[in-house]
Amino acid sequence: GIQVEQSPPDLILQEGANSTLRCNFSDSVNNLQWFHQNPWGQLINLFYIPSGTKQNGRLSATTVATERYSLLYISSSQTTDSGVYFCAVKGTYNTDKLIFGTGTRLQVFP
Amino acid sequence: GAGVSQSPSNKVTEKGKDVELRCDPISGHTALYWYRQSLGQGLEFLIYFQGNSAPDKSGLPSDRFSAERTGGSVSTLTIQRTQQEDSAVYLCASSTGRVYEQYFGPGTRLTVT
Repeated sequence: GIQVEQSPPDLILQEGANSTLRCNFSDSVNNLQWFHQNPWGQLINLFYIPSGTKQNGRLSATTVATERYSLLYISSSQTTDSGVYFCAVKGTYNTDKLIFGTGTRLQVFP
Repeated sequence: GAGVSQSPSNKVTEKGKDVELRCDPISGHTALYWYRQSLGQGLEFLIYFQGNSAPDKSGLPSDRFSAERTGGSVSTLTIQRTQQEDSAVYLCASSTGRVYEQYFGPGTRLTVT
């Protein structure tokens, strides 16, 4: 099945710093989502981005489907950005389920 | 509008007992998914319902797990004869269709003692 790899596994930042999280996937996809899992375990939708670029405030994401990767950019990080960021994809040839990466754990300190 | 809701939020049960977990999807969403998040396995797919079609049960880990969706809305995940390895957070998600953005509920944390 499709493989999803995220990097880095852990990231520690000081408030105000910028960061880039990466998601690589091994096959064609027709759905890619970025989530933030907050300390209470809730998965919060950040982007639905099977291709192209989107921006939402301090966050933006780019997916290059032909090269099988997606990037999540966080600018001017805040302590509330802490948590785990997941990338999840649906393979084009298996559209029933999201396959999740192992996540990037982000800690932002004041 | 209201998001996906799940109940209970926490459930502690003794090994060997049966449990039922409930999911209320976003109104109008035809697709409903169950996932499980555990320390050793990450986030993994369990089962998928789409409208009146037969569910995709390919992710259910054993025949102790079953799920149903009544009236195309509420879903119940049942685990029979629970084992300690069933301890995890069970997450429900819904979407407007099989390819589209999925929205997750807050999860049910199941602890089997």
